[in-house]
Amino acid sequence: QVQLVQSGAEVTKPGASVKVSCRSSGYTFARNIIQWVRQAPGQRLEWMGWINVGNENTKYSQKFRGRVTIARDTPASTSATTIYMELSSLTSEDTAVYYCATSRGLPNGWFDPWGQGTLVTVSS
Amino acid sequence: EIVLTQSPATLSLSPGERATLSCRASQSITTYLVWYQQKVGQAPRLLIYDVSNRATGIPDRFTGSGSGTDFTLTISSLEPEDFAVYYCQQRYNWPLTFGGGTQVEI
Repeated sequence: QVQLVQSGAEVTKPGASVKVSCRSSGYTFARNIIQWVRQAPGQRLEWMGWINVGNENTKYSQKFRGRVTIARDTPASTSATTIYMELSSLTSEDTAVYYCATSRGLPNGWFDPWGQGTLVTVSS
Repeated sequence: EIVLTQSPATLSLSPGERATLSCRASQSITTYLVWYQQKVGQAPRLLIYDVSNRATGIPDRFTGSGSGTDFTLTISSLEPEDFAVYYCQQRYNWPLTFGGGTQVEI
């Protein structure tokens, strides 16, 4: 069964950066698109961007461009590939649960499955 | 940016009743509409993609319909495990966007 496993909760300060990881369990990431979505308290889900794990192409939401980086750390051919989402210049409005999800081979595909989510709290 | 408006915000029903959830897009998204279910403390789960295609393992009491700007998710007979928040999402244009959700409560 395909699963996406994310890193644990983070508490960080305004102005800092946070890096959230997402790795696969049960299949190889190659030729897949990994998406990042966040959900702030009481807010709707918000798409942030994606990475093509095979060729490392990325696309970001205009809202986060310049602050977000999505990258991989190992060759896509191994099952140990980890995808990272780094968000910089944090403010309290970035407090949210951050999810990775796969849309398989489609940049604009449906998201299935999702990681379990990572709570990022930005507080001084 | 395409805005998705879901209604109602909250739907109070009993098990066994029929639930009808609406999602309206600010412009035509043809049939590129997706539905997710989210329970408290959990990640969203894919229910239906491209208006009416149920995801693997989704029971047939969940039905999606619509096209263009108006879409509906119908749960024919609510089971206890169906009480959750439901989100629609458009994948027609960038940025991908989600609706504000409909909470189906007992």
